[in-house]
Amino acid sequence: DVKVTQSSRYLVKRTGEKVFLECVQDMDHENMFWYRQDPGLGLRLIYFSYDVKMKEKGDIPEGYSVSREKKERFSLILESASTNQTSMYLCASSVRAYKNTGELFFGEGSRLTVL
Amino acid sequence: GQNIDQPTEMTATEGAIVQINCTYQTSGFNGLFWYQQHAGEAPTFLSYNVLDGLEEKGRFSSFLSRSKGYSYLLLKELQMKDSASYLCAAPSRNSGAGSYQLTFGKGTKLSVIP
Repeated sequence: DVKVTQSSRYLVKRTGEKVFLECVQDMDHENMFWYRQDPGLGLRLIYFSYDVKMKEKGDIPEGYSVSREKKERFSLILESASTNQTSMYLCASSVRAYKNTGELFFGEGSRLTVL
Repeated sequence: GQNIDQPTEMTATEGAIVQINCTYQTSGFNGLFWYQQHAGEAPTFLSYNVLDGLEEKGRFSSFLSRSKGYSYLLLKELQMKDSASYLCAAPSRNSGAGSYQLTFGKGTKLSVIP
């Protein structure tokens, strides 16, 4: 079975803290993605990676960075958390496809609250 | 870029048929996805259309018209467990390295009532 695991289901952090969200997939997928999901705004792409050490900005990268040192692991970093980063964060992975992302497999999500 | 529109909410009766529409404007078309997301859970893949026409998969079907920039998801014999959000999504080429990203519509929340 396909498995995308996010390290924490729920986190509470304070403004200004550095936050790490970890995601691991066991399917040997080339592509990995980080989205955030907010009511009324839907899923918005923060960053994605199509290969180890490669990263691409999505639609809302400001305030975030990512790291992909190994194929199976994609980390999202909030250098200095702010209250407007309170959200549900979803990681996904997919196999490389021609002119496409391929079917995305999602993790269970990490609900981050920044106080 | 991508612009994807779908209705915010819909309500339908158990046992009925419901059609959820999605219109899109893309810079280059590379297929259209539908995902289902139950409250508090992760989205899961339902269908992918790249050619015009209807693709049927059990109680769920998805239709695509590339010339009209239009797709719909058809759910038949509705069950209570079909209450969920349905997300339309389209891949597009990222302006960076030319790899592909998936952009989602805001989702349609379907409520199935007895």
